[in-house]
Amino acid sequence: AQKVTQAQTEISVVEKEDVTLDCVYETRDTTYYLFWYKQPPSGELVFLIRRNSFDEQNEISGRYSWNFQKSTSSFNFTITASQVVDSAVYFCALIGYNFNKFYFGSGTKLNVKP
Amino acid sequence: DAGVIQSPRHEVTEMGQEVTLRCKPISGHNSLFWYRQTMMRGLELLIYFNNNVPIDDSGMPEDRFSAKMPNASFSTLKIQPSEPRDSAVYFCASSLSGGEETQYFGPGTRLLVL
Repeated sequence: AQKVTQAQTEISVVEKEDVTLDCVYETRDTTYYLFWYKQPPSGELVFLIRRNSFDEQNEISGRYSWNFQKSTSSFNFTITASQVVDSAVYFCALIGYNFNKFYFGSGTKLNVKP
Repeated sequence: DAGVIQSPRHEVTEMGQEVTLRCKPISGHNSLFWYRQTMMRGLELLIYFNNNVPIDDSGMPEDRFSAKMPNASFSTLKIQPSEPRDSAVYFCASSLSGGEETQYFGPGTRLLVL
């Protein structure tokens, strides 16, 4: 079975604070892919990052960073020095190599207050 | 480059009417996905096409829903007859090939069935 859990339903921070969004996944596949998407209030889904299961190297892109740990089946997302424009719902997703379905977590709503 | 294009962006209809949602994938992408997003169920994959052929339609809720992809640049999702519980945002996404590739989402069609 494949499953993605985002336990944090909603997080509120004040601008310039750092915030980490948690993502825990379950899969029996040895090859799989993990994704993060952002859904701002306007509603579109914006791709942020794709990671395959063989690449555990953490990644940093500007204020965004991702921590992939296979040992704990986690793929956490950190925003450093958050800004109001970061306010959105963030989805973590998983797909196994032999599966066509995309398993989305339930999303974490991030509110960044000025 | 143009992203995934969906039309209409908003649709309001009465119960029992036929609804047709349209999608134009990114040029060169061979895979196309239809998703539905509701508050109760989150993001659900409805159907997935690869090279215009439906690969997995197990997410299609019932016979009232049908999807076609007559060519590489166009797909439709039809609901006939529509019901209030079909009210949701319907997203189309495309990827280069296969579900493990990054999926790029269209802006969505917000459907309200009265």
